[in-house]
Amino acid sequence: RKEVEQDPGPFNVPEGATVAFNCTYSNSASQSFFWYRQDCRKEPKLLMSVYSSGNEDGRFTAQLNRASQYISLLIRDSKLSDSATYLCVVENTDKLIFGTGTRLQVFP
Amino acid sequence: NAGVTQTPKFQVLKTGQSMTLQCAQDMNHEYMSWYRQDPGMGLRLIHYSVGAGITDQGEVPNGYNVSRSTTEDFPLRLLSAAPSQTSVYFCASTQAGSYEQYFGPGTRLTVT
Repeated sequence: RKEVEQDPGPFNVPEGATVAFNCTYSNSASQSFFWYRQDCRKEPKLLMSVYSSGNEDGRFTAQLNRASQYISLLIRDSKLSDSATYLCVVENTDKLIFGTGTRLQVFP
Repeated sequence: NAGVTQTPKFQVLKTGQSMTLQCAQDMNHEYMSWYRQDPGMGLRLIHYSVGAGITDQGEVPNGYNVSRSTTEDFPLRLLSAAPSQTSVYFCASTQAGSYEQYFGPGTRLTVT
């Protein structure tokens, strides 16, 4: 089993739609979780950290389910500029393990 | 601040050649890392450093060397390039006590 697993997509959604991505992780001892965004042929950039209580940043909501070992990212009111690959990242013994990413394409 | 810079942006090597990928950061971050990104594989850690003079191996270190003589610079050396090292290489830096990685723009390497 991979340490971090994501559905590669692509998710094709119209502008204004709500879309959710899930990610599962294998190490129950992991303490820190993140979502990074990567635009085509660019470097990854931190989108948001994921806290146990869940957290929101504008149209983006991240949640953690420790019992089932998955994290999620919800994007509301999708914009064309949200088109990118979203990387799930999990801390494992002080190193970051990156998922392969979920590609989102928002169309007009 | 330039953040994390990498050179070159693109490189083509022949099998057996050696080269050094340069990485520099101006944020005074203690931690620096090298990753490679391949289709369907995600980012994989090659080597990392927790401070000047200290380096350690990541998940896929074979065929690569690193050194960290200053806080700012963290070059990655390919000893004898192989086609399996064709990839996109990202350097990243992190402040101590944080997990937020700041990535450079990447180097696209092709080995023929």
